[in-house]
Amino acid sequence: AQSVTQLGSHVSVSEGALVLLRCNYSSSVPPYLFWYVQYPNQGLQLLLKYTSAATLVKGINGFEAEFKKSETSFHLTKPSAHMSDAAEYFCAVSDGANDYKLSFGAGTTVTVRA
Amino acid sequence: NAGVTQTPKFQVLKTGQSMTLQCAQDMNHNSMYWYRQDPGMGLRLIYYSASEGTTDKGEVPNGYNVSRLNKREFSLRLESAAPSQTSVYFCASRGLAGTGELFFGEGSRLTVL
Repeated sequence: AQSVTQLGSHVSVSEGALVLLRCNYSSSVPPYLFWYVQYPNQGLQLLLKYTSAATLVKGINGFEAEFKKSETSFHLTKPSAHMSDAAEYFCAVSDGANDYKLSFGAGTTVTVRA
Repeated sequence: NAGVTQTPKFQVLKTGQSMTLQCAQDMNHNSMYWYRQDPGMGLRLIYYSASEGTTDKGEVPNGYNVSRLNKREFSLRLESAAPSQTSVYFCASRGLAGTGELFFGEGSRLTVL
């Protein structure tokens, strides 16, 4: 069964600084990996996804993530944080092409300091 | 394009009362899902329906029932609400297994007193 672990429940960054959110996965088959963002009092929306094509995936709002099989990781980065990036971020994994379920990590809350 | 619509958005119940959360999607997706979100625990899958006519348990199904009414609609029922079911509930739909992304509704905030 698949699972994800997000390291750090809270991350605080200065505006303009690098944002790095960590996600490690476990999966019995090649996984499909997703990052979602949730703004206050809203549902989740997709930032980006890895589907076994390029290992470096670019998403919306300047975010990108790199799939590293040797490290079982899918960390999310953004070179320069903006105040509007303050939100909760979730990593999720699907266990192969026939898996209907998506398993989520516990989430990381990002605050951005002016 | 409405996407995924959930009702109600807010509900307060007393212990032992019952209620149904409604969800509808207009994207012609085969799969639909109910998650609950609690602080520090991420999203946990309650039930899902891979296709019309099928439903399966997720991680935390106890105390809940679901009905896949048709391809568009998937409801979640609490027969006898308990304080432990105080949570934010999200409905989602998905066009493809594996690589397909989930599309979420805006959530239903339920408080059980």
